[in-house]
Amino acid sequence: DTEVTQTPKHLVMGMTNKKSLKCEQHMGHRAMYWYKQKAKKPPELMFVYSYEKLSINESVPSRFSPECPNSSLLNLHLHALQPEDSALYLCASSLLETSGGEQFFGPGTRLTVL
Amino acid sequence: EDQVTQSPEALRLQEGESSSLNCSYTVSGLRGLFWYRQDPGKGPEFLFTLYSAGEEKEKERLKATLTKKESFLHITAPKPEDSATYLCAVQVPRRQGGSQGNLIFGKGTKLSVKP
Repeated sequence: DTEVTQTPKHLVMGMTNKKSLKCEQHMGHRAMYWYKQKAKKPPELMFVYSYEKLSINESVPSRFSPECPNSSLLNLHLHALQPEDSALYLCASSLLETSGGEQFFGPGTRLTVL
Repeated sequence: EDQVTQSPEALRLQEGESSSLNCSYTVSGLRGLFWYRQDPGKGPEFLFTLYSAGEEKEKERLKATLTKKESFLHITAPKPEDSATYLCAVQVPRRQGGSQGNLIFGKGTKLSVKP
């Protein structure tokens, strides 16, 4: 299985809602990533998990809260988002953090904040 | 400051018309250069890894090359299904407070191939 899956595919939420994005991989990868991508822009790194521990938080606002329950799952909890947070949220994985150039990306969750 | 610049921003080709995409970089301690393909509304798909100047990789109609300052993605006799945005990314050593696996992406080249 060489696939990264993400749910949901689309999400519309109000600024007061709480929602979660989910990501799953079964390739035995020990590094997992969350990216945010705006239209016509490259992916922008948000968080890196290595061996289920948060390795890096790229100064992301606290309304985004990542969680890595086990080596196959990665969640992104959303609360009190702003309309400017609307974007494609991508999850990726790599064998290790140090081999992070070869990343497998999921299809993304298209988030709209009203 | 580490930088990755891709050109052109957009490229329109006729089917069968070969061309090249450019990725120039200024980084300290390059650990690898990576090419990805991204279709609209989807996640990037990994294509190639290049580690050292002079290295070349091929896959179907695509060939990636690397020099000390830039990489080229050559597309030979493209087909409409090659239409996508091609992203170049470089991996650099861990900076203070940064990730060991941090990728710096270029802005991409949007390729359109008309039949």
